[in-house]
Amino acid sequence: AQKITQTQPGMFVQEKEAVTLDCTYDTSDQSYGLFWYKQPSSGEMIFLIYQGSYDEQNATEGRYSLNFQKARKSANLVISASQLGDSAMYFCAMREPYSSASKIIFGSGTRLSIRP
Amino acid sequence: EAGVTQFPSHSVIEKGQTVTLRCDPISGHDNLYWYRRVMGKEIKFLLHFVKESKQDESGMPNNRFLAERTGGTYSTLKVQPAELEDSGVYFCASSQVRGFATNEKLFFGSGTQLSVL
Repeated sequence: AQKITQTQPGMFVQEKEAVTLDCTYDTSDQSYGLFWYKQPSSGEMIFLIYQGSYDEQNATEGRYSLNFQKARKSANLVISASQLGDSAMYFCAMREPYSSASKIIFGSGTRLSIRP
Repeated sequence: EAGVTQFPSHSVIEKGQTVTLRCDPISGHDNLYWYRRVMGKEIKFLLHFVKESKQDESGMPNNRFLAERTGGTYSTLKVQPAELEDSGVYFCASSQVRGFATNEKLFFGSGTQLSVL
């Protein structure tokens, strides 16, 4: 069955430092997509980055990169040079389009707090 | 272009009452999803519409929840009668991806905070 695990309920990081948010997933499919979303205190969910299971290179979007380790079923989000505005909830998600239940599932999230 | 809008943003009701949540997806998006997050837990899938048809409603908790998407445009999620455990944030999301694509990026609304007292 599909499952997303985020083991860090909360993290504190000093401004300008890099931070890694952990995400592991469970799937038996070969074709799937992995996503990270950010939810600031205002409540909206903001798409950050996407990694396809067949992508050979790690995805990058500005200060965000996804450390994709397929054999370990790991898709950690790395934020470089953290900023105060990065303080938010972060959710890892996965889609298995060929599964009988083709839907996007989410983990429980990590609350990131950036210290000035 | 307008994003996904949800109404109301907050709702406080008493146990046993009825509440209807509304979601307007991005125009042209065939896929519409409902999710719920109970505090501290994962964002849980409720159901998925493709246009007006229910593609997957495996996440609906019980028959107190009824979702509709008349004409394939906006959707409503009705909870009747509401129970204490129904409290949480209800998110709606839409996408335009069709078929077997892994990169289905969801566009979310800001959610409806439902509190059942």
